[in-house]
Amino acid sequence: DAKTTQPPSMDCAEGRAANLPCNHSTISGNEYVYWYRQIHSQGPQYIIHGLKNNETNEMASLIITEDRKSSTLILPHATLRDTAVYYCIVRVGGANNLFFGTGTRLTVIP
Amino acid sequence: GAVVSQHPSRVICKSGTSVKIECRSLDFQATTMFWYRQFPKQSLMLMATSNEGSKATYEQGVEKDKFLINHASLTLSTLTVTSAHPEDSSFYICSAVQGINTEAFFGQGTRLTVV
Repeated sequence: DAKTTQPPSMDCAEGRAANLPCNHSTISGNEYVYWYRQIHSQGPQYIIHGLKNNETNEMASLIITEDRKSSTLILPHATLRDTAVYYCIVRVGGANNLFFGTGTRLTVIP
Repeated sequence: GAVVSQHPSRVICKSGTSVKIECRSLDFQATTMFWYRQFPKQSLMLMATSNEGSKATYEQGVEKDKFLINHASLTLSTLTVTSAHPEDSSFYICSAVQGINTEAFFGQGTRLTVV
């Protein structure tokens, strides 16, 4: 699976959009980009995933660059409950195992 | 999303004893389940992959005789930490998928403390 690079930490003001970047420059054509988050002492929670088109669901939006070498997870209106570690993972299509990197610790500030 | 339940959420055991952790998919049949370990302030590390009815596949460096995995049904996988030592103290997390190219759902984790 391709390696991902994320900033170790970010702050975001409550109510503002949180934009979390992820670099995956070695991604191959059949690899999907997945985002999970982990709130302290809990299991990871699925957020969103995509292959090459931008995706949106009730939790977030995923913007993938045209060359697919990077992506951005957008939480449109961050709340205090969004404080968590966010993991960007690339996963081969047809494979189910997920390998977690170090993620980005997002702190939403009141 | 689908629900994956782990039990127990916390366990303290004496050094040398064995501990069993259960992972259940409550509202779907899981073709594959995964077990992870997470040490404080570190990321999740995949330990093994288990498919229903077959032997688990362990990641490099994970002792299969120490971490026994059983996936006897499509809704239940168990991880048994045998002859536990203090260095086995960690947060153990399972996940389950319903099929290929589907998202994985995670249990709430089990905090194991070996004293």
